[in-house]
Amino acid sequence: DAGVIQSPRHEVTEMGQEVTLRCKPISGHNSLFWYRQTMMRGLELLIYFNNNVPIDDSGMPEDRFSAKMPNASFSTLKIQPSEPRDSAVYFCASSLNRGNTEAFFGQGTRLTVV
Amino acid sequence: GQQLNQSPQSMFIQEGEDVSMNCTSSSIFNTWLWYKQDPGEGPVLLIALYKAGELTSNGRLTAQFGITRKDSFLNISASIPSDVGIYFCAGHNTDKLIFGTGTRLQVFP
Repeated sequence: DAGVIQSPRHEVTEMGQEVTLRCKPISGHNSLFWYRQTMMRGLELLIYFNNNVPIDDSGMPEDRFSAKMPNASFSTLKIQPSEPRDSAVYFCASSLNRGNTEAFFGQGTRLTVV
Repeated sequence: GQQLNQSPQSMFIQEGEDVSMNCTSSSIFNTWLWYKQDPGEGPVLLIALYKAGELTSNGRLTAQFGITRKDSFLNISASIPSDVGIYFCAGHNTDKLIFGTGTRLQVFP
């Protein structure tokens, strides 16, 4: 298996623009997580899905952030409108199921908002 | 959000030395995991611990799940240059993985 695949690897956008990050989890994994990593706050869980259903989005910073999982093999994290403080590395991770604790991470998307 | 406290924050050691780092929490966790992150990459799972008191090895790495379930330790023996990176502990309770603040390891030849 290719592992968790994220795209793009790097994104530079202007403040106010919409940004969409994409993730393909490992085939057969039923849980998907979105994390954000910054120097100041470390790795923060934004939202996670189980069987394509959002379970906990309490980590989503504000209404500008939204995430969807239309099917078992695809998820998006959207920021609209983007702001400079959203600059970070965004990781997607997946695990076998809700009770399985071993999460496997993608390579991340480095987002820079100027 | 909630984070686990890792120490030390950074370590600078010579190749061949052993390394110890730990992770503490005010909360109890049912599972502890240790990840390593290389520059420009996502965290990679190294070791998973499922029972209090459990001691698990993976090559030169050994990790322990603290008896109180509020801490965990990772040891690396005979360090090599490719051990360089950031090591994260993570605690799992209910459905969430909560990550530590990380220990940055630098190995000098």
